[in-house]
Amino acid sequence: EPEVTQTPSHQVTQMGQEVILRCVPISNHLYFYWYRQILGQKVEFLVSFYNNEISEKSEIFDDQFSVERPDGSNFTLKIRSTKLEDSAMYFCASSDPTDYGYTFGSGTRLTVV
Amino acid sequence: RKEVEQDPGPFNVPEGATVAFNCTYSNSASQSFFWYRQDCRKEPKLLMSVYSSGNEDGRFTAQLNRASQYISLLIRDSKLSDSATYLCVVSRSNDYKLSFGAGTTVTVRA
Repeated sequence: EPEVTQTPSHQVTQMGQEVILRCVPISNHLYFYWYRQILGQKVEFLVSFYNNEISEKSEIFDDQFSVERPDGSNFTLKIRSTKLEDSAMYFCASSDPTDYGYTFGSGTRLTVV
Repeated sequence: RKEVEQDPGPFNVPEGATVAFNCTYSNSASQSFFWYRQDCRKEPKLLMSVYSSGNEDGRFTAQLNRASQYISLLIRDSKLSDSATYLCVVSRSNDYKLSFGAGTTVTVRA
């Protein structure tokens, strides 16, 4: 079964540093997403990406965040100048427009110290 | 008002029991409804989509009430492996962002 792959599975970074979280969506999917889940809280939408541009972003997704699809397979989330409150699980997802093929990756646990 | 509200539980039930819980959603424009399952510190996994007429998938039955804007999930003959957090999820469409509830925790005991 096709899957969404995320790397790394766990990243520890110092406050103020930049991090890049990487995702490889399912190859024939056209919509890509990032969600996050702070420990003990609900899963929250960050951003959706379609046709090489952001289609929607939440109020969480401020200037500190950016997304990119640098080549035909990777989809990245960059967090500039990380804060303690950025510590969370970050889930990448992709979806298939022809049916409900919404698939989540296994997540990257980001710990900001 | 939260977009999706769920009873957090926990629901502690013995094996073989039936457990049911609901969620409510606030956006009447929502068109797609789902139950996801999330195990501790893992990604959400689709359990089932929820259709207007109600639908069943093995031991799981989902109902949707658009007029009252609530969705329910019923688990029959609970197994130990059903222990998880169940997430109520709504969306405007199949390819739109998902709005998650905070989850209902179910623990099935032997």
